[in-house]
Amino acid sequence: NAGVTQTPKFRILKIGQSMTLQCTQDMNHNYMYWYRQDPGMGLKLIYYSVGAGITDKGEVPNGYNVSRSTTEDFPLRLELAAPSQTSVYFCASSMGTGEAFFGQGTRLTVV
Amino acid sequence: AQRVTQPEKLLSVFKGAPVELKCNYSYSGSPELFWYVQYSRQRLQLLLRHISRESIKGFTADLNKGETSFHLKKPFAQEEDSAMYYCALRNSGSRLTFGEGTQLTVNP
Repeated sequence: NAGVTQTPKFRILKIGQSMTLQCTQDMNHNYMYWYRQDPGMGLKLIYYSVGAGITDKGEVPNGYNVSRSTTEDFPLRLELAAPSQTSVYFCASSMGTGEAFFGQGTRLTVV
Repeated sequence: AQRVTQPEKLLSVFKGAPVELKCNYSYSGSPELFWYVQYSRQRLQLLLRHISRESIKGFTADLNKGETSFHLKKPFAQEEDSAMYYCALRNSGSRLTFGEGTQLTVNP
């Protein structure tokens, strides 16, 4: 029973590089979310999706892109990494009833 | 726009003392409010939600629409309650917004 799985767990990027943070869930949840967690700033919503093919911006979408081609997967793309994107990223999924299930997080450092 | 505010970033109490973690929100519709908890080296997980009106691990929270608050309370704090607590709001479109979080430390 995997739940929400994020890969990788850790990554160091150089400024200007690109990468994709992977997120997959096996609970057949329609709703999926990406957050970033900065010290003292809480969780900020980057993007979310209410179903396959549907995505919407959250509070801090700049510098990121997402896609939702399947119910299971919700990858987050960083095109030109910047030091301000150093953070811990969390993916979550939900049935829409409110309880969100979170992945273990990806710690990204941009140098 | 929806917003969740947790005014205390850090809260420290002694074991056995009452604890209250504050949460205020702004939202024009009918929100669903939640408390999530993140224990050290564990995933963020749901603690309780306002619609269930239940007590989980001794914690309760009451939605006060007049004051737009959803404070989390426990009459007697335990050391194992030490964790990061997040208040969250879900709108009718399932957008889930979190507050800044409160780091609770329960001292022996």
